[in-house]
Amino acid sequence: DTAVSQTPKYLVTQMGNDKSIKCEQNLGHDTMYWYKQDSKKFLKIMFSYNNKELIINETVPNRFSPKSPDKAHLNLHINSLELGDSAVYFCASSQGTGRGYTFGSGTRLTVV
Amino acid sequence: GNSVTQMEGPVTLSEEAFLTINCTYTATGYPSLFWYVQYPGEGLQLLLKATKADDKGSNKGFEATYRKETTSFHLEKGSVQVSDSAVYFCALSDQNDYKLSFGAGTTVTVRA
Repeated sequence: DTAVSQTPKYLVTQMGNDKSIKCEQNLGHDTMYWYKQDSKKFLKIMFSYNNKELIINETVPNRFSPKSPDKAHLNLHINSLELGDSAVYFCASSQGTGRGYTFGSGTRLTVV
Repeated sequence: GNSVTQMEGPVTLSEEAFLTINCTYTATGYPSLFWYVQYPGEGLQLLLKATKADDKGSNKGFEATYRKETTSFHLEKGSVQVSDSAVYFCALSDQNDYKLSFGAGTTVTVRA
């Protein structure tokens, strides 16, 4: 199936740990994104890569570091996790501008 | 900058009722407009879109018309079902921008 897939679906970890979330798309899109959805369902863009180049880097703590080894993959690494990092993180992809995104099913991160 | 304002929820309806979710936008250019739906525990799915003024997007019985004069893109469905219970997001994307700007989301619950 053509899709945006992200792993893991659930992640429970302790404060201070380092964790990664992986995302892959097989749609042939040239741009990938990370969004954070808080408990009130509000969506906030974090990062975007276009053909492995960082093009959007919103105000995000530098504990969050994206990496794009190729245009089909975009990973998110989080250092020194804090309670406030608990949220659902969505990966998405698009082709060009103004066309909307295809989203992954999300990773629910819980920091305890 | 670009922004989207949508009707606050939650909205609770009975089956076969008429649904309207208001969405207005602010944009500097000529954006494309989208409605996304998020079913419980899932990622966002594109519901419908419109790319220019007076375009009507439609899907699964939902409709929205791009109104440039009122900068609106209201979502409507004539007869909702329990399976329409979800969070609905209005969004816009400028033709020259990779970023998709979302409204705050409206939670809709349909009761049998």
